[in-house]
Amino acid sequence: GQQVMQIPQYQHVQEGEDFTTYCNSSTTLSNIQWYKQRPGGHPVFLIQLVKSGEVKKQKRLTFQFGEAKKNSSLHITATQTTDVGTYFCAGGSGGYQKVTFGTGTKLQVIP
Amino acid sequence: DTAVSQTPKYLVTQMGNDKSIKCEQNLGHDTMYWYKQDSKKFLKIMFSYNNKELIINETVPNRFSPKSPDKAHLNLHINSLELGDSAVYFCASSQPSGSSGANVLTFGAGSRLTVL
Repeated sequence: GQQVMQIPQYQHVQEGEDFTTYCNSSTTLSNIQWYKQRPGGHPVFLIQLVKSGEVKKQKRLTFQFGEAKKNSSLHITATQTTDVGTYFCAGGSGGYQKVTFGTGTKLQVIP
Repeated sequence: DTAVSQTPKYLVTQMGNDKSIKCEQNLGHDTMYWYKQDSKKFLKIMFSYNNKELIINETVPNRFSPKSPDKAHLNLHINSLELGDSAVYFCASSQPSGSSGANVLTFGAGSRLTVL
């Protein structure tokens, strides 16, 4: 079945440093979504990318969808303590657009 | 108003018991899901219903039985609970958007199940 892997699994950064998480799917995706889950919370939708090679920005966050639509990345510039949480990519595919979540990257920001 | 609400938020029970988790969404979405998040934080889809019809049924023990009385509700009943069932169970709903048919998920707050 489809597998979506993320690296790294964990990342500790000093506040103000940049952070990147990478997402790789075993199959071609129709779209990629990114979610953030704060400690003790639930996943919250951040953004969706649909087109090959698409790049979208949300303030300090930059999202990219690979040309082959099998990988994606999330880059955070100048991390803040409010960025703490687990970031999940989620790939959509199939007739009913089954959404398969990546393994997640847990970000810890040290003040 | 909470968009996707689950009850109970916490559930502690003994092995072998039967328990249910309820989910309701007021977003008017056609599709609802159950996801299981284990201690390693992996989020795995269990079931999905579209307008009361089961459309996704992953490799889940048949001790787990979802029921959707209408498109706004999706309940999960678990028989003969086992230690390995301990996890956070998230309900979610979605509505396809745009030509890509991409389903953006709105999650409930989760139900933490602990089996002793």
